[in-house]
Amino acid sequence: QKEVEQNSGPLSVPEGAIASLNCTYSDRGSQSFFWYRQYSGKSPELIMFIYSNGDKEDGRFTAQLNKASQYVSLLIRDSQPSDSATYLCAAFRGSNFGNEKLTFGTGTRLTIIP
Amino acid sequence: DAGVIQSPRHEVTEMGQEVTLRCKPISGHNSLFWYRQTMMRGLELLIYFNNNVPIDDSGMPEDRFSAKMPNASFSTLKIQPSEPRDSAVYFCASTPQGTGELFFGEGSRLTVL
Repeated sequence: QKEVEQNSGPLSVPEGAIASLNCTYSDRGSQSFFWYRQYSGKSPELIMFIYSNGDKEDGRFTAQLNKASQYVSLLIRDSQPSDSATYLCAAFRGSNFGNEKLTFGTGTRLTIIP
Repeated sequence: DAGVIQSPRHEVTEMGQEVTLRCKPISGHNSLFWYRQTMMRGLELLIYFNNNVPIDDSGMPEDRFSAKMPNASFSTLKIQPSEPRDSAVYFCASTPQGTGELFFGEGSRLTVL
């Protein structure tokens, strides 16, 4: 079992709709979770992170975390063609010395259809 | 501020040759990470340094791979000898200690023929 799992997609969503991206993780020691966006041929860039159960909103993006279910999601409201990219979920064990590594899922490719 | 700087951006080499990838992290960032990305395996952590000290190299595939960080502003990832299965995009990333927020370089695309 991979430490962080994502549906590879592709996920196609009409412009203006809500895109829902999901991620599960196996390490219960993970303390915080990050969503990165990666455009084709580019490097990953951070969208947002979450460490408490519940929802965290930032503009059109909402991250959701359920530690009991070991489940993380990212919702993108009012999807735009510029949101078409691969979305990477990552789990972070914490900042104790020796536990700084970020473990990534393989990513979900999202396409927004105009 | 300049971001993470990697070189070369593209490298094409023949099997058996030595490859050296270079990285300059963001000034003031204490941690540096080397990742490899392929379609099949996604982003894999190879090694990370904290304050120039290698902390976790469990992701280094085999002895052909080595990484160094001689000072806070420079790191190298070396593959010797290179093999076709090493073809991938290699990313360097840095972060202030303990934040988990990685700042990635533009990557080095390696093709081994």
